Amino acid sequence: EPEVTQTPSHQVTQMGQEVILRCVPISNHLYFYWYRQILGQKVEFLVSFYNNEISEKSEIFDDQFSVERPDGSNFTLKIRSTKLEDSAMYFCASSEFMSITDTQYFGPGTRLTVL
Amino acid sequence: GQQLNQSPQSMFIQEGEDVSMNCTSSSIFNTWLWYKQDPGEGPVLLIALYKAGELTSNGRLTAQFGITRKDSFLNISASIPSDVGIYFCAGQAGGYQKVTFGIGTKLQVIP
Repeated sequence: EPEVTQTPSHQVTQMGQEVILRCVPISNHLYFYWYRQILGQKVEFLVSFYNNEISEKSEIFDDQFSVERPDGSNFTLKIRSTKLEDSAMYFCASSEFMSITDTQYFGPGTRLTVL
Repeated sequence: GQQLNQSPQSMFIQEGEDVSMNCTSSSIFNTWLWYKQDPGEGPVLLIALYKAGELTSNGRLTAQFGITRKDSFLNISASIPSDVGIYFCAGQAGGYQKVTFGIGTKLQVIP
């Protein structure tokens, strides 16, 4: 069964450093998303992306965040200058965008630890 | 923004028991979803509901989309140890739009 994959599984970085989290969505999917989950809390929406542009973003997704689909398979989330509070699990998701019954399939996540 | 209230936040049950959890929203959703998350993994979709009043089963799991579109419940029958995990309710305005998650119900099954 096709699945969303994410790399790395765990990223440790120093505060102020840039990080890029990578995702490979399911191959025929057209809509891509990033969510985050701070330890012990609920999953929160960050951004959705379709047709090479952002469709919707939350208030969490400020100027420090950016997304990109650099080629036909990868979807990335960049944090320019990480803060301690960026430590969380980051989940990529994708959906087909064919009908109202489309569902989002989530990757296994990248655990980001900012020291 | 839309808020989801999920309860209970944690449950301890004996293996073989049935369990029920529910979710209410401050506003209407057009799609209700139930996900399960195992430690260190991403949410996995269990059941999706698309119509008010819809009752859907997936094995031992049954979920309903409330008539008001502002609530949903999930029942698990005859629980087994592998049911352990965190169960999230979630809502969507439309099929490709953002998923809004509840706080989760942590389920522990005592063998």
